[in-house]
Amino acid sequence: EAQVTQNPRYLITVTGKKLTVTCSQNMNHEYMSWYRQDPGLGLRQIYYSMNVEVTDKGDVPEGYKVSRKEKRNFPLILESPSPNQTSLYFCASSWDNSYEQYFGPGTRLTVT
Amino acid sequence: GQQLNQSPQSMFIQEGEDVSMNCTSSSIFNTWLWYKQDPGEGPVLLIALYKAGELTSNGRLTAQFGITRKDSFLNISASIPSDVGIYFCAYSGAGSYQLTFGKGTKLSVIP
Repeated sequence: EAQVTQNPRYLITVTGKKLTVTCSQNMNHEYMSWYRQDPGLGLRQIYYSMNVEVTDKGDVPEGYKVSRKEKRNFPLILESPSPNQTSLYFCASSWDNSYEQYFGPGTRLTVT
Repeated sequence: GQQLNQSPQSMFIQEGEDVSMNCTSSSIFNTWLWYKQDPGEGPVLLIALYKAGELTSNGRLTAQFGITRKDSFLNISASIPSDVGIYFCAYSGAGSYQLTFGKGTKLSVIP
């Protein structure tokens, strides 16, 4: 089954404790992206990647890092999480030159 | 990124009613997309529009790319309970891989 998976689905952590949210897709998509969703603000793009080793900042990249060492994986790294990063995070992927992004199920992160 | 004005923010309608929502921007875009997010899930693409004036249907859903290329609307006819969710418009600029989403329209359908 074609899908985007994210782990963990739920995470509660404390300020400053480094964490990684994994994202993996099995559709051989070149493009991958991370979004955060907050009430009243919709979906905002954090980072995106056009291919292996090619990443770029989205609209809200501060406090986040990404890497794209393999085509199928695009982890999101929070080196020192803060409470304002409490949010619902989505990973998405698509073919090159396609706007039909397939979204993962989401990761709900709480930073206390 | 550019701001999208999506309205209304929320709607409560009776089952069987038609629904209309829209997005506007001060900038010209080449692509308008409409996504739906079911409760507890990630967004799913409903309709993609690539040409000014384009009118596209997907079942009970109809979307149009405005002639000025600054707006788009989505209509849902004869709403049913499973239409509940958040509807997002999104755009991408020419040659860009970056998608910018509106703030969403939350639809509630009263049986």
